[in-house]
Amino acid sequence: AQSVTQLGSHVSVSEGALVLLRCNYSSSVPPYLFWYVQYPNQGLQLLLKYTSAATLVKGINGFEAEFKKSETSFHLTKPSAHMSDAAEYFCAVSEETSGSRLTFGEGTQLTVNP
Amino acid sequence: KAGVTQTPRYLIKTRGQQVTLSCSPISGHRSVSWYQQTPGQGLQFLFEYFSETQRNKGNFPGRFSGRQFSNSRSEMNVSTLELGDSALYLCASSLAPEVASPLHFGNGTRLTVT
Repeated sequence: AQSVTQLGSHVSVSEGALVLLRCNYSSSVPPYLFWYVQYPNQGLQLLLKYTSAATLVKGINGFEAEFKKSETSFHLTKPSAHMSDAAEYFCAVSEETSGSRLTFGEGTQLTVNP
Repeated sequence: KAGVTQTPRYLIKTRGQQVTLSCSPISGHRSVSWYQQTPGQGLQFLFEYFSETQRNKGNFPGRFSGRQFSNSRSEMNVSTLELGDSALYLCASSLAPEVASPLHFGNGTRLTVT
């Protein structure tokens, strides 16, 4: 079975600082990987997805992620944090047989300090 | 275009009762999936429907069931509620169940079982 591990349940950065949220996956086949963001009392919003077309994936709101097969990683980054980035972030991997069946990581709560 | 709509937003039920949650997908989306989100277990896949057929089911007891109608709207039902069923239930829709077809989530139904 595929799985993802997010390192760090809480990450705190200063406004304007680099954001780095870590995600490692486990998969026996080339995976499809996603990052979602969840704001309080809302559902999940897709930030970006990796589908093997390019290893560096650009998403919305200035986020990007790099797929590194050798490290089985798909870390999320943003060069300069904004207060509005404070939210919970989830890394997910798609099951081979269905794009709707995602396995999510535990989530990382991002706090942005002024 | 309207997003995924889930009703009701909040629900309080008593142990032993049953509950039905509703989900209206984005117009044109034919695949609907459901997830349960709890602080302890995180986001877990419940089931997926496409063209009124259940394609996948997660590791949940038979008390959890769902269905999809011809207009792609979906309902999920939980019978004989237990305290542990308290959770945020998220519905997501996509154009089709192909891998890497992005999921669009609703804002969820917050179920509290007392």
